[in-house]
Amino acid sequence: KAGVTQTPRYLIKTRGQQVTLSCSPISGHRSVSWYQQTPGQGLQFLFEYFSETQRNKGNFPGRFSGRQFSNSRSEMNVSTLELGDSALYLCASSLVSGGADTQYFGPGTRLTVL
Amino acid sequence: ELKVEQNPLFLSMQEGKNYTIYCNYSTTSDRLYWYRQDPGKSLESLFVLLSNGAVKQEGRLMASLDTKARLSTLHITAAVHDLSATYFCAVDSNSGYALNFGKGTSLLVTP
Repeated sequence: KAGVTQTPRYLIKTRGQQVTLSCSPISGHRSVSWYQQTPGQGLQFLFEYFSETQRNKGNFPGRFSGRQFSNSRSEMNVSTLELGDSALYLCASSLVSGGADTQYFGPGTRLTVL
Repeated sequence: ELKVEQNPLFLSMQEGKNYTIYCNYSTTSDRLYWYRQDPGKSLESLFVLLSNGAVKQEGRLMASLDTKARLSTLHITAAVHDLSATYFCAVDSNSGYALNFGKGTSLLVTP
């Protein structure tokens, strides 16, 4: 069974630009969560989607948004990029939402903002 | 706000030795997760602990959960170099939809 895939794996942008990251969950998984990982703040929850509905959102500004499609694939978008948005963005999928199911993480997208 | 604290944050240990990583969290939760991350890699699930008193073992790693003390431990037995990695514990938020991670414990096992 294929794991969680994320594209692109690496991205370089400049301040003020916007970026879209993509995540394909494990086949059959309907919940997709996004996390940001930085050396200073560690791993922080961004948002979670289940059946195309955002169920929870972390403490991030409105520049960070996401969506989920009917095939469970998810995208996240960051507008008006800032230097502090440079991070590893991880997507995780699980079978159900809000349960005790393991979240399986993808390889991540490393975003560098110049 | 749910806080998750791990200690130690850095750990250098010799091969063959035993050690324990601690994970404390601030609010009631019955679900605790342990992940491993190798440098430049993603997170690999190690254990899911779902109830008070839960204990799980895989190879040289054993994890336990005490929900009353809001404490989980990850015990390493007879460490080997391959265990060198960063270990994270994570706790479900009350909504159950988000994981709150500790800062991670960077483990280095030396000969």
